[in-house]
Amino acid sequence: DQQVKQNSPSLSVQEGRISILNCDYTNSMFDYFLWYKKYPAEGPTFLISISSIKDKNEDGRFTVFLNKSAKHLSLHIVPSQPGDSAVYFCAASEANNLFFGTGTRLTVIP
Amino acid sequence: NAGVMQNPRHLVRRRGQEARLRCSPMKGHSHVYWYRQLPEEGLKFMVYLQKENIIDESGMPKERFSAEFPKEGPSILRIQQVVRGDSAAYFCASSPSQQMGQPQHFGDGTRLSIL
Repeated sequence: DQQVKQNSPSLSVQEGRISILNCDYTNSMFDYFLWYKKYPAEGPTFLISISSIKDKNEDGRFTVFLNKSAKHLSLHIVPSQPGDSAVYFCAASEANNLFFGTGTRLTVIP
Repeated sequence: NAGVMQNPRHLVRRRGQEARLRCSPMKGHSHVYWYRQLPEEGLKFMVYLQKENIIDESGMPKERFSAEFPKEGPSILRIQQVVRGDSAAYFCASSPSQQMGQPQHFGDGTRLSIL
C-alpha cells in the first residue's frame, strides 16, 4: 500500500520559470515531510523538509508547502535552472522511518 | 570523503549465491537505514539499526535477508540464496540521532544484479 504518492512521473519546465512538484499522502501520523533530489547512479540528496505543524518552509529557491487537511504537499523551485534536472522524491517520516513516493523526473529546458 | 560509503557499487551474483552489501555511515552517525529501490519505484524501507542493535526490521523480508551493524566496522546487509527478484538498487542512509525530522544522508547505492 503506497502511503506517499507522486502522481506525475515527469515534468518539463522552461529555465527561469517555476517548477511545482506535488505529493499526496494517506497517513495522518506522519510527523515530517522531506524532499530529496536524485541524479542517475547516485543516492538521494536531502533538499528541504517541513514539520507537520508548519505549512511553509523556504530555503533559497526551494519552498515546500504543506496542506494537512488535504494531505498534500508541494515543492516549488523558482527560478528553475538546468542543473535542477533530476528525479525528485517526496518522503514522509513516521517514527524515524521514511516512506518514499515513486518520484517525479524534472527536466528544465534551457 | 565524509559521506555515506557503500560498496561494492555493482554486484553480480548467480541464483543461489550470497550477496553482502556494506555501508559505512557518515562520521559521527550511529543510526543506519537500508532501503531497496526496484526499477521505476520509490525507495522502500527495509531495516533500521544502531550500533549492535536492530531497532526496526519491519520492511525486511522474513527469509534470506539479514542485517547487522557491529560495534566496529560497517553495516552489512546480507542476502542468502539470491533470486532474480532480488535485483535492485540497495541504498544505505545514516543520521546522527533519532531526533524527529533529522534528515537521513544517503550513499550512492549498490546495484545488485542476479543472473
